[in-house]
Amino acid sequence: AQSVTQLDSHVSVSEGTPVLLRCNYSSSYSPSLFWYVQHPNKGLQLLLKYTSAATLVKGINGFEAEFKKSETSFHLTKPSAHMSDAAEYFCVVRVTGNQFYFGTGTSLTVIP
Amino acid sequence: GAVVSQHPSRVICKSGTSVKIECRSLDFQATTMFWYRQFPKKSLMLMATSNEGSKATYEQGVEKDKFLINHASLTLSTLTVTSAHPEDSSFYICSARPSTGSDTQYFGPGTRLTVL
Repeated sequence: AQSVTQLDSHVSVSEGTPVLLRCNYSSSYSPSLFWYVQHPNKGLQLLLKYTSAATLVKGINGFEAEFKKSETSFHLTKPSAHMSDAAEYFCVVRVTGNQFYFGTGTSLTVIP
Repeated sequence: GAVVSQHPSRVICKSGTSVKIECRSLDFQATTMFWYRQFPKKSLMLMATSNEGSKATYEQGVEKDKFLINHASLTLSTLTVTSAHPEDSSFYICSARPSTGSDTQYFGPGTRLTVL
């Protein structure tokens, strides 16, 4: 069975401190993995994606994620949080064809 | 690149009327487009997958006669909510997959539908 689990529904960090948003997946196939960000009343913006190339993927706005097959994880990190990073983040797995699975989202709060 | 637009961004309609939402891929062709519904503070719920020139594939529990999807060209898909009711009020988001075979979905900015 395929699935995506975002381990934290809400994460709160202070501005300037590191961000860690966790995502685990389950897939019978070699998946493609994505992180998207959604600001209030907006669509989803692609942050980064993993498609079987380098396991450490760098995205926009200073975010990066590391694909760890042994741990079936694809955690999103950023060294220093900015106020503008406050948003909802979604981990998405593409299994095959048009089969995409969405995590339930993690709400990131950045405290000034 | 890879921009998807939606129109309108907000719409308010009376109960019983129909509303059409457009989703356009502006700088790429999209054989496949997806329609999602999002409830407040929730993840996206896939409603249907549409492929250009063929009938949409609806997810279980989604009424195809109520949510009409047309994907007549490689850059345009429309979702028509027919005989809308207050419970149809929601945030509707579309996405598009490039025809080049990319596995990435590019999302539109969403449409806020309010049915009075």
